[in-house]
Amino acid sequence: GDSVTQMEGPVTLSEEAFLTINCTYTATGYPSLFWYVQYPGEGLQLLLKATKADDKGSNKGFEATYRKETTSFHLEKGSVQVSDSAVYFCALSGGSGAGSYQLTFGKGTKLSVIP
Amino acid sequence: DGGITQSPKYLFRKEGQNVTLSCEQNLNHDAMYWYRQDPGQGLRLIYYSQIVNDFQKGDIAEGYSVSREKKESFPLTVTSAQKNPTAFYLCASSPDGYSNQPQHFGDGTRLSIL
Repeated sequence: GDSVTQMEGPVTLSEEAFLTINCTYTATGYPSLFWYVQYPGEGLQLLLKATKADDKGSNKGFEATYRKETTSFHLEKGSVQVSDSAVYFCALSGGSGAGSYQLTFGKGTKLSVIP
Repeated sequence: DGGITQSPKYLFRKEGQNVTLSCEQNLNHDAMYWYRQDPGQGLRLIYYSQIVNDFQKGDIAEGYSVSREKKESFPLTVTSAQKNPTAFYLCASSPDGYSNQPQHFGDGTRLSIL
């Protein structure tokens, strides 16, 4: 079945540092890929998405490129802020099997940004 | 503003008791979902519904039940058969269950055992 693997946290960075959170996936077919963000005590919010190979999703300074050749969708931001502290989830849908439009999530990566 | 409302925010269950978590959406979405979130385990799908009066089991449906009598409502009952119910429960919706459109999430209900 489909699966998503993302780097284990927690990740602690100083303000204005560069952020990379690695995400790789296993799926057949042509899945869509997503990054969601969860702030403390809240639900998930869609951060960005990409629907086909070589697409780049971007939002609020975050970027991720859909790399089919490496089955990856790494999240990057050039300069993080304290307000970026949250848990980040990589997810896919439309990979394979029955109910393939359901989301398959990675386990999440907690990011803490210190002033 | 359109969105998903989950209630209550915190819920406590006694031994042998069933409890029901509410989820309402005013996004006019056809599909709705329930997830369970445990620390370090990401989100796992409990049940989903692609249309009114129809729903399917997800990966961890045992000990849970749902109904979908109205398009905007998808309540989840945690039954006494669920032996480890302590978790954060998230409800989500999407325009339909047949495409790769993103899901929208509520703010969750945290369930604990008394």
